[in-house]
Amino acid sequence: EAGVTQFPSHSVIEKGQTVTLRCDPISGHDNLYWYRRVMGKEIKFLLHFVKESKQDESGMPNNRFLAERTGGTYSTLKVQPAELEDSGVYFCASSPTWGPPETEAFFGQGTRLTVV
Amino acid sequence: LAKTTQPISMDSYEGQEVNITCSHNNIATNDYITWYQQFPSQGPRFIIQGYKTKVTNEVASLFIPADRKSSTLSLPRVSLSDTAVYYCLVGDGNNFNKFYFGSGTKLNVKP
Repeated sequence: EAGVTQFPSHSVIEKGQTVTLRCDPISGHDNLYWYRRVMGKEIKFLLHFVKESKQDESGMPNNRFLAERTGGTYSTLKVQPAELEDSGVYFCASSPTWGPPETEAFFGQGTRLTVV
Repeated sequence: LAKTTQPISMDSYEGQEVNITCSHNNIATNDYITWYQQFPSQGPRFIIQGYKTKVTNEVASLFIPADRKSSTLSLPRVSLSDTAVYYCLVGDGNNFNKFYFGSGTKLNVKP
């Protein structure tokens, strides 16, 4: 079974440009999360989808970030326009349908974004 | 989200048992305690999860005292490949995987 896949693995863009990150969760997982680690700081929660609906987007830093999950399958995270402080590693995670507490989240390998 | 406190780093030698303790004083009634492992250039990977007392799987054991204000991850007989960052996370029982990651514990296993 394929794990969580993120694309691209690396992206280097200029300040002011737009970048779209993609996450393919494990098939059948309703829950999809985005996290990021910027400038060597701690990994921080961005938002949570349940199927195609945004369950919690309290961690989104500002309106330059837009996340979508059309059809409840893959998700995209768009940064427009990118700023230098957006550089970091963006992680996506997925987990099965809400149920018993003992449900682990499966993380992708992350997308390293560098804004120059 | 309940915050956690754990040692920044630990050193060990191959074959030893490693215990990493985490404090989570403001844990809520419906929170679960989860530990993740992360290698460089990879995403975090689930190790173990528990609510109270003791949980054991093929990789580790998790000890949680009655007051649940702390927990201890126990790794038996570590090897060099266990060198990684270990995160103690407290998840909201209604939103299990919305975590506060903290700084984690960098475990360095020496030969």
